[in-house]
Amino acid sequence: GAVVSQHPSRVICKSGTSVKIECRSLDFQATTMFWYRQFPKQSLMLMATSNEGSKATYEQGVEKDKFLINHASLTLSTLTVTSAHPEDSSFYICSAGGRGSNQPQHFGDGTRLSIL
Amino acid sequence: GQQLNQSPQSMFIQEGEDVSMNCTSSSIFNTWLWYKQEPGEGPVLLIALYKAGELTSNGRLTAQFGITRKDSFLNISASIPSDVGIYFCAGQESGGYSTLTFGKGTMLLVSP
Repeated sequence: GAVVSQHPSRVICKSGTSVKIECRSLDFQATTMFWYRQFPKQSLMLMATSNEGSKATYEQGVEKDKFLINHASLTLSTLTVTSAHPEDSSFYICSAGGRGSNQPQHFGDGTRLSIL
Repeated sequence: GQQLNQSPQSMFIQEGEDVSMNCTSSSIFNTWLWYKQEPGEGPVLLIALYKAGELTSNGRLTAQFGITRKDSFLNISASIPSDVGIYFCAGQESGGYSTLTFGKGTMLLVSP
């Protein structure tokens, strides 16, 4: 069964709306979670690393004020796309991995965001 | 950012055929992972490799961690239509808290 749950699976909203996406680790504690963005027919692009209890680490070129990340507990990270515009439309995916060296990352089912 | 060289980019095969895809890197990784992604879904972990030279199977899937720690391959035997999807390799420097470096993916199409 799924070990990482992501919600919602699909969002369609008007330009200017802020959208929150949740990522939960279901049966393990994840002090670190990752947020990716994927364009059609492309690989996953890491946006940011979400750290529980501290600020997220953003990849170069990703606007931290545009993509707000909150990791308030050991099992939940949220990504908020603020004042979304059509160019923000994409497939957003989170992942989480356990602490140990043999704990691979598992991915959520992704969120398809469509901004009209 | 850094990316792995994954090949082939796509494959179109008939049901029952065997498939092989591979990834190479200029950097050493301590973990190699293989994921499958179907349309509209997140990647699903197929096989995780943690030791150089390791050969691991998961049903009809077999993957190996190259001895130099700079490459890995994935084989699928006796392919079936539900094997259709995009397969990604990913390298990881250490444990689950470190970032993944992805290949560009191999799209697999299987005709019945």
